[in-house]
Parts: sequence; C-alpha cells; structure tokens
Amino acid sequence: AQKITQTQPGMFVQEKEAVTLDCTYDTSDPSYGLFWYKQPSSGEMIFLIYQGSYDQQNATEGRYSLNFQKARKSTNLVISASQLGDSAMYFCAMREIWSNDYKLSFGAGTTVTVRA
Amino acid sequence: EAGVTQFPSHSVIEKGQTVTLRCDPISGHDNLYWYRRVMGKEIKFLLHFVKESKQDESGMPNNRFLAERTGGTYSTLKVQPAELEDSGVYFCASSQDSSRETQYFGPGTRLLVL
Repeated sequence: AQKITQTQPGMFVQEKEAVTLDCTYDTSDPSYGLFWYKQPSSGEMIFLIYQGSYDQQNATEGRYSLNFQKARKSTNLVISASQLGDSAMYFCAMREIWSNDYKLSFGAGTTVTVRA
Repeated sequence: EAGVTQFPSHSVIEKGQTVTLRCDPISGHDNLYWYRRVMGKEIKFLLHFVKESKQDESGMPNNRFLAERTGGTYSTLKVQPAELEDSGVYFCASSQDSSRETQYFGPGTRLLVL
C-alpha cells in the first residue's frame, strides 16, 4: 500500500511568492517522523525539514515550514518568498519509528519551477 | 565535515556485465542505507547497515545484488550480472545511531544498463 502520496506532479510559482506542496501519509504507527528533501537538477538529495508525530508545533526552518495536520495525516511544505534556486523536485518521506523501522518511504515527488 | 560521497557518479554498462558502486558515509555515522530510483518510479529502500551488519535487506530486489560494508566504514553495492531494469539512480544515505536521526544522502550514482 502506498504510504506517502504527493498528488502534485508539477507546480509553477512566481519569484518571491509562497508555494505549498501537499503530502499525505498512511501509517498505523503511533510514532513516526516526516521528512522533506529537495532534489535540484544536479541530482543530490538535500534534507530540508523534519516533523515528529508527537511534536506539538509545526516545524519551521528558515523559509521552509510545515503545515502538519495529524488527524488528516498530512504534512504540507510551505516555501515562502520563493527564489529561482528553489526550482527542484521535492520529496516527502516517512519513517515509522514505533515499528523500529529505519527505512524511509518516499512519495513520487513534486517538481517546482520558480518563474522570474 | 564531509558529506556522504558516492562513486562513480555515472556508469554505463552492457547487460550481463558487473558494476560496483561505492558509498562513503559521513564520518561517525553507524547507519548506512542504500536506495534506488528507477526511471519514472519512486525512491525505494534497498537495505540498511548498522556498522558492518545488515539490519534490514528487505528491499534488495534479487540475488544479483550484493551489498557489503566491511569494517563498518564504506559500503559497496555490486550488481552481477546487470539487467536492463537495474538502470536508475542509486542513492546512499547515512545517519547516526538514533532512530530519530535524519538520513543524509549522497549525490547518487546514475547507472545505465544497455
């Protein structure tokens, strides 16, 4: 069964505007971690931000923030004040901590293109 | 501090040949993971080492794939013999010993089997 769903294959955003990338997940574990990674055209996977299932507040990291809605099992990434360098593919991933499962399950990714 | 490094960055081989991919994790990271992304599909887990031991190899597709991590430092992933469907990007990641730790990825090896 699909554990991570990213329904937006591609998005365009104007420079300096904000963009929201959707991610929903499926798990029965009471404890899990949610990650977002960025993959620019050069190919490397860059860790952006983490949200633990028991974290009371939404995670923020510079221009990146998460809209974590546990009951809806969603963790949307918000990139504020988009820059041209934000053009990349973005992956949502989950680790099921309760199951002592270290592996990450990834979504299909969303390609973001920032327009000048 | 150096990040995760992978070698080679690209490899083009013919069906039936052997290829060996190498990953050097971040220094001090006991956990090392291999993932791959086949064209048009999602990134999938292959296996997980804790030091030199295989913790989880549930994602290894078949016995043509052999991963090793002698001495608990760098790891190799050998594909022998390579098939067309093995083409894709192979990522290595590492993390410290906590289950909550972030996995840091290398740049990947792009493998093309002709």
